[in-house]
Amino acid sequence: SQQGEEDPQALSIQEGENATMNCSYKTSINNLQWYRQNSGRGLVHLILIRSNEREKHSGRLRVTLDTSKKSSSLLITASRAADTASYFCATDDTDKLIFGTGTRLQVFP
Amino acid sequence: NAGVTQTPKFQVLKTGQSMTLQCAQDMNHNSMYWYRQDPGMGLRLIYYSASEGTTDKGEVPNGYNVSRLNKREFSLRLESAAPSQTSVYFCASRMGGAGSYEQYFGPGTRLTVT
Repeated sequence: SQQGEEDPQALSIQEGENATMNCSYKTSINNLQWYRQNSGRGLVHLILIRSNEREKHSGRLRVTLDTSKKSSSLLITASRAADTASYFCATDDTDKLIFGTGTRLQVFP
Repeated sequence: NAGVTQTPKFQVLKTGQSMTLQCAQDMNHNSMYWYRQDPGMGLRLIYYSASEGTTDKGEVPNGYNVSRLNKREFSLRLESAAPSQTSVYFCASRMGGAGSYEQYFGPGTRLTVT
């Protein structure tokens, strides 16, 4: 079974609003990564947070990690229509990534 | 650099036919991966190769075989295609090693088995 489960499965917001996606996982990890997938395309890496980090920022992205709760969240601030995509968390098991089921984000202009 | 390339982009097979999906990367990465993605689903790992000369099963290996031809190339073979193998197949690669590296994905192969 897949390691990560994202919540919510789908999210619709207006441009300018913030979008928060959550990821829960089952086993211990080296790091957790977030990826973005535009419709019909391959995944693109967004951000990586190591197991000893609690928060990381990259532009409009903020990721948190709580290893005691085995959960992570991805916050996209001031969303744009171009942020419309599916977002996946992935846990790093040393030699492979295990992906979650994804959150489909729709940002309306 | 082309990154990760996959061929073909689209393929339609009849049940029982065989085919090989090709993947190549030009980033000198050690590790390569094959995933499948079904509609509305995340990616499920089929096989991976942590380094040249090694291959390991992922979550859903049944019905597939792989070959790590050299450091650049990692192929996925369907010996006898089944409708349940209709999916989008993604190849990915990363530097590997300590496990703190991002993966780079190819554009995908859309396979339909009738």
